[in-house]
Parts: sequence; structure tokens; C-alpha cells
Amino acid sequence: RKEVEQDPGPFNVPEGATVAFNCTYSNSASQSFFWYRQDCRKEPKLLMSVYSSGNEDGRFTAQLNRASQYISLLIRDSKLSDSATYLCVVNMRDSTLTFGKGTMLLVSP
Amino acid sequence: SAVISQKPSRDICQRGTSLTIQCQVDSQVTMMFWYRQQPGQSLTLIATANQGSEATYESGFVIDKFPISRPNLTFSTLTVSNMSPEDSSIYLCSVWVLGDRETGVTDTQYFGPGTRLTVL
Repeated sequence: RKEVEQDPGPFNVPEGATVAFNCTYSNSASQSFFWYRQDCRKEPKLLMSVYSSGNEDGRFTAQLNRASQYISLLIRDSKLSDSATYLCVVNMRDSTLTFGKGTMLLVSP
Repeated sequence: SAVISQKPSRDICQRGTSLTIQCQVDSQVTMMFWYRQQPGQSLTLIATANQGSEATYESGFVIDKFPISRPNLTFSTLTVSNMSPEDSSIYLCSVWVLGDRETGVTDTQYFGPGTRLTVL
């Protein structure tokens, strides 16, 4: 089983739609969780951390389910600029991060 | 936050040669990391480079192939030695920046813009 698994997509959605991504991780001792965004030919950039109680940042909501070992990201009112690859990232030990392969989102007019 | 620059941004190299990638950070950081992202793949950690100690390599990566220097708290280099086409990839430097519990800022990892390497 891969350490961090994501549906690669692509998810094709129209502007204004709500879209959700899930991610599962294998190590139950994982300590912290993040969603990164990576635009084509660019470096990954932190979108948001994922807290146990769930957290929201504008149109973005992240949830963590430790019992089932999955993380979700919900994007409401999708914008064209949301088109990117979303990387699920897990801190399994020390400060080293393990990255999922990413889920590609394409938002169309 | 941290601002990271890498040189070169891209290069095309011949098989058997070596390339050294530089990473410069605008602030002092303890932990620096080197990642590789091959086409269509996610990021894979090559090694962790802490100042004053030898780099720690992940499984599948060895010092002879990817020697790393970390002479101070703002700079590191990664060398890709004796390159083959399989080394064609994006190489990314990153740093771990501690957060602030009082303000609720979490520990965060920042990435450099990457070096796009093509080996012919």
C-alpha cells in the first residue's frame, strides 16, 4: 500500500461548482497533514494545514479523519484560477513530508 | 516565511557529466531538504541536509550519486553525478520553518522554484 494515496483525476468542473478531494495515508502515527497546490511547472505551495477539528480558509475546507486515516479538501464556488494539482502531504516522522501524487483539477468557464 | 532561490533554473546536460544545483534561502534555517519530481510523479525526498552534519539520504539515494553540501544556514548544493537520462527531473530545494504557537502559525515547508534537468 502506498503511503499517501490520491485519485489523480483530472476532475473537470465548471466555474462555481463545489468539488471535493480525498486522500488516504497508511501510517497511523502520522503527525501533521497539509494540502499543497502545485501549478504547472511551478513549485508546490502550501494551501492549508489540516487540523483534527477541521478548518476552513475562505472557499477551502479541510477535514481530517484519524480513525479512517483520510484527509479531505473541499473547494466551494470554484474559480478558473483554482485549476492546479492538489497534493496531499503527510508528516510521518521528524520534519520530513511524504507527498501524494496529486489530484488534478480543471475548472472550465 | 522563507524565500528560496535555485540556480540554475534549468539545464540540458550530456550523459556522464555532473551538475551542481545551488539553493539560497533569505533567512537562516536549520533543516533543508532536496526533493526530486520526475515527470508525472509526486515529490520524492532525496536527502535532508542540516548544517554541521552529513546529509541523511533516503532509501534509494546515495551520497556518491547525489553529494550535498551545507556550508551554512542559508545555503546548500546538490550535485547530480555521472548523469543518465533517468536523472531527468525537477530538483527542488525546500526548508522547514518553525511556526509560532502563540499566533497559531504552523510549522511550514517552503519550496524553491526548482531546477529542471534534462539529460541527453
